Amino acid sequence: AQSVTQPDIHITVSEGASLELRCNYSYGATPYLFWYVQSPGQGLQLLLKYFSGDTLVQGIKGFEAEFKRSQSSFNLRKPSVHWSDAAEYFCAVVNWGSNFGNEKLTFGTGTRLTIIP
Amino acid sequence: DSGVTQTPKHLITATGQRVTLRCSPRSGDLSVYWYQQSLDQGLQFLIQYYNGEERAKGNILERFSAQQFPDLHSELNLSSLELGDSALYFCASSVGVGTDTQYFGPGTRLTVL
Repeated sequence: AQSVTQPDIHITVSEGASLELRCNYSYGATPYLFWYVQSPGQGLQLLLKYFSGDTLVQGIKGFEAEFKRSQSSFNLRKPSVHWSDAAEYFCAVVNWGSNFGNEKLTFGTGTRLTIIP
Repeated sequence: DSGVTQTPKHLITATGQRVTLRCSPRSGDLSVYWYQQSLDQGLQFLIQYYNGEERAKGNILERFSAQQFPDLHSELNLSSLELGDSALYFCASSVGVGTDTQYFGPGTRLTVL
């Protein structure tokens, strides 16, 4: 079964500094990868997704992620964080194709991002 | 705003009770998914409906059931509630199936006392 690992439970970054959040997925025939953000008391908002093609994908709010099949990773990056980026970030995978009809998202445990002034 | 609406926002009830959570998908979306977010289990898929039919089941308890109506809104029914059922319940919708992006509602926070 597909799985997602987010090794960092909590990350603290200074405002204006760069950010990288790690995500590793288990082997799947065709991993479709997503990053979602959850602000306190809010639902999940899609930041970006990767299905195929260019392995560097751009998302909203200045985020990008790079798919590296050799490392089974899909790390999220931002060159300069803003105080409003403080939230919980979830990596997710749909291993569609190997089990047709099962489009459920499998989420990682999340990384809480704290921004300090 | 994702376009997915969920009611109620908050629900407080007692053990043994039954509640119904409601979800309206984005206009035009045929698939509805239910997820549970709890501190100990994280975000877990419960069940998916597509155009009124159940399509996939996840870690959904037998005390829980769901349905999708002809107007495509969905309801999640939770019965014989236990303290451990306290969680955030999210609904998501997508246009179809497969790789279509899932858009999430704001969630319903259920507290069982």
